[in-house]
Amino acid sequence: AQSVSQHNHHVILSEAASLELGCNYSYGGTVNLFWYVQYPGQHLQLLLKYFSGDPLVKGIKGFEAEFIKSKFSFNLRKPSVQWSDTAEYFCAVNAQAGTALIFGKGTTLSVSS
Amino acid sequence: EPEVTQTPSHQVTQMGQEVILRCVPISNHLYFYWYRQILGQKVEFLVSFYNNEISEKSEIFDDQFSVERPDGSNFTLKIRSTKLEDSAMYFCASSEAQGTADTQYFGPGTRLTVL
Repeated sequence: AQSVSQHNHHVILSEAASLELGCNYSYGGTVNLFWYVQYPGQHLQLLLKYFSGDPLVKGIKGFEAEFIKSKFSFNLRKPSVQWSDTAEYFCAVNAQAGTALIFGKGTTLSVSS
Repeated sequence: EPEVTQTPSHQVTQMGQEVILRCVPISNHLYFYWYRQILGQKVEFLVSFYNNEISEKSEIFDDQFSVERPDGSNFTLKIRSTKLEDSAMYFCASSEAQGTADTQYFGPGTRLTVL
């Protein structure tokens, strides 16, 4: 069965610090990979996704993620965080279109100004 | 930009009562989903729906749950006899499901509180 692990439960950073959130998945075949963000009081929004091609994908608000197939990882990065990045971040995978997304437990990011 | 909408935003019910959560998926999407998130836990898949039938369901989606597309726009989740442990945030999502990969877009959620 597919599973997703997010290593950091709560990350606390100061503004302008660099961010890397870990995500590892367990699945033997081709996967589609996603990072969703949930700002306080808001719904899940897509941050970025990887389906195929260039393993370095860029998303909204300066976020990027790198798919490393050999490590089954899809880590999220941002070179310089802002206070407005305070949110919960979820890594998710599925095997193909129209199938269940399997989510990690989420990482809460708190950015102090 | 089209969005998934959900009503109500918050539902309070007594244990044993039936509840119906409503969703309006994005209009040209073909797959519809329900997920839930119990407070402090991860988002869990419940069920997916395509071409007027369930295409996939999880172990959580037992006989107490049912889904329906009663008309051309709404997609509903019914919990027949609610239990305390059904208290959670319920998210509806939809996707185009064309090709091998697609993106699921989520609604704002319905917070269900079972007393």
